[in-house]
Order: sequence, then structure tokens, then C-alpha cells
Amino acid sequence: QLRLQESGPGLVKPSETLSLTCTVSSGSISSTTYYWGWVRQPPGKGLEWIGVVFSSGTTFYNPSLSSRLTISVDTPRNRFSLEVTSVTAADTAVYYCARAESGIDGFDIWGQGTMVTVSS
Amino acid sequence: QSVLTQPPSVSAAPGQKVTISCSGSSSNIGNKYVSWYQQLPGTVPKLLIYENDKRPSGIPDRFSGSKSGTSATLGITGLQTGDEADYYCGTWDIGLHAGVFGGGTKLTVL
Repeated sequence: QLRLQESGPGLVKPSETLSLTCTVSSGSISSTTYYWGWVRQPPGKGLEWIGVVFSSGTTFYNPSLSSRLTISVDTPRNRFSLEVTSVTAADTAVYYCARAESGIDGFDIWGQGTMVTVSS
Repeated sequence: QSVLTQPPSVSAAPGQKVTISCSGSSSNIGNKYVSWYQQLPGTVPKLLIYENDKRPSGIPDRFSGSKSGTSATLGITGLQTGDEADYYCGTWDIGLHAGVFGGGTKLTVL
């Protein structure tokens, strides 16, 4: 069974860059059947779609975040990454990485999530 | 404010049926598949329904999905206390070139 695992700092200072990595195990990130994404959830709030990346490197971003976002794929290391620049307290959330099947667009496999707090 | 509109909360008694609506537009639900997710308290979201009405392996047939026009509906029959959770709809938005979620609906089984 394919598994996803997020990793990265749990605390980021305001105005700095949030960087997370999602490692894919028991499966290949190079599959063209699937694509890979990030979803976040602020404490006590709903899910927010952040963006996705295909194995080709093609990306789609949430328009409200796109100016601060970079999502990239590292196929040799079977992982993909998220960078959010100029963070504020509003970026405090649990960040999930997830997999979706092309054409279906539902996230069928999720990582366990990682809490990121933006605070000085 | 979410692109997809869900009621903030619904409730029903054990054994009863409940439906959760998700309203969108021709830019999203009207032309794309809808997925539904269940998030039990303190857990990771789980895919409940995909392609509007399909259930992944392991999801009981008490859960069903449907779509009509620019709206989608999640139905849960034979409610159990273990169904108490937040439910989210999601789809792709053609105009935004991005995925979108509804604001979520909290289900209470009284």
C-alpha cells in the first residue's frame, strides 16, 4: 500500500519560508496515472486546497496563494515538496500531502499531516 | 468564503438518514467530478465518494453520492454515532485552474 509522509520544521518565523517535503513509499511518484498535492487545515477550520504537481513537473496552484507558492517534484528521490514564502500567522495549519488520480481528481491517499506554526 | 457551499451542520438520530448538500457552479460541479471526504475528530480526511457516486473499496454502501446540475449530495443511511464527523465536498474549478473544497459540514448523530 502506497504511503505518504510529510516532513519539515514545525515552527517557522513570520516573513520566512515554510518548506515541507512529502516522501512517497511503496509506490512510484513517476506514475502518469496520479498526481500529487498539498492541502492544509488551520486549527478549527476547514480544508484548503493548496496546489498539485504532476510527475512531469506541471503545477496548478490555489490562486489566493500562488504568488507565494512553489510545488516541485523530485522523481529520483520519490518525493515532492512545498514552499510558501513570506509566511504569516494565517499560514499556521496542519499541512497534508495527498495523491489524486488524473481525471478523477479526488485525493485517495493522504499523509498523516504535519502541524506548522508561524510564530516568532 | 468557499467556492463550494455546504451547510455548516446537520443532525439526525441513530438509524436515520441524512443528506449533505454541496452547491457550486458550471465552472466546477457542473462540469467536473465531485468527491466527498470524511474527517473523524482528530484524524486525517478520508475519501468517501469519488466520481460523484463511486465508493472506494472498504466504504460501506450506507454512504452514497449523487450529482445534479451544479449541486452534489452526500447521503448517509443507518446513521451510527461513529459517523459523527466533518464532511467535505471537493472538485476541480475550470475557471480557477485549481481544486476547491466546500467549507465542510459537521454531522451530529443525536
